[in-house]
Amino acid sequence: DVKVTQSSRYLVKRTGEKVFLECVQDMDHENMFWYRQDPGLGLRLIYFSYDVKMKEKGDIPEGYSVSREKKERFSLILESASTNQTSMYLCACYNPPTEAFFGQGTRLTVV
Amino acid sequence: DAKTTQPNSMESNEEEPVHLPCNHSTISGTDYIHWYRQLPSQGPEYVIHGLTSNVNNRMASLAIAEDRKSSTLILHRATLRDAAVYYCILRQYSGGGADGLTFGKGTHLIIQP
Repeated sequence: DVKVTQSSRYLVKRTGEKVFLECVQDMDHENMFWYRQDPGLGLRLIYFSYDVKMKEKGDIPEGYSVSREKKERFSLILESASTNQTSMYLCACYNPPTEAFFGQGTRLTVV
Repeated sequence: DAKTTQPNSMESNEEEPVHLPCNHSTISGTDYIHWYRQLPSQGPEYVIHGLTSNVNNRMASLAIAEDRKSSTLILHRATLRDAAVYYCILRQYSGGGADGLTFGKGTHLIIQP
């Protein structure tokens, strides 16, 4: 079974902190994604990566950056966390055209 | 990515078939139709995908219109565990390179006992 593992299920951080959300996949998939999910807004794509050190902005990249130094690991970075970044964050990996696999999500609260 | 349109919510009774529609009138010839669902407090999970022909698997069936401008996900006998948000998305197989995987708001399926 493909495993997509997100480092934390729940996280509480203070405003202004630098926050790292880690995602690791064990299937050697090329593409990895970070989404946030908020009530009434569905899943919104923040960033994705199609190869090591390659990244592309999604629909809502502002306030975020990403890092992909190794194929299996894709990190989402909140440079200076703000309360409007309180959300559920989901990581996924994918090799087209077959299915994407998602992690269980990290519920981040910024206080 | 081409856009899809789904109803916001649908309701069905347990042990009855459920037909979840999706419109994708701007689909291109190389777009695959994918369905995912998201159970409460979990990440989305894959359900089924197809290109032109109808598809069946252990979870569901996918019926694709002849002109490919719409599709229907069919749950043959809904159970309470099928209550979830169902997403229909289009994926273009580019053979590599940058592909965003864009989800809409999906259909919230409610199953009544």
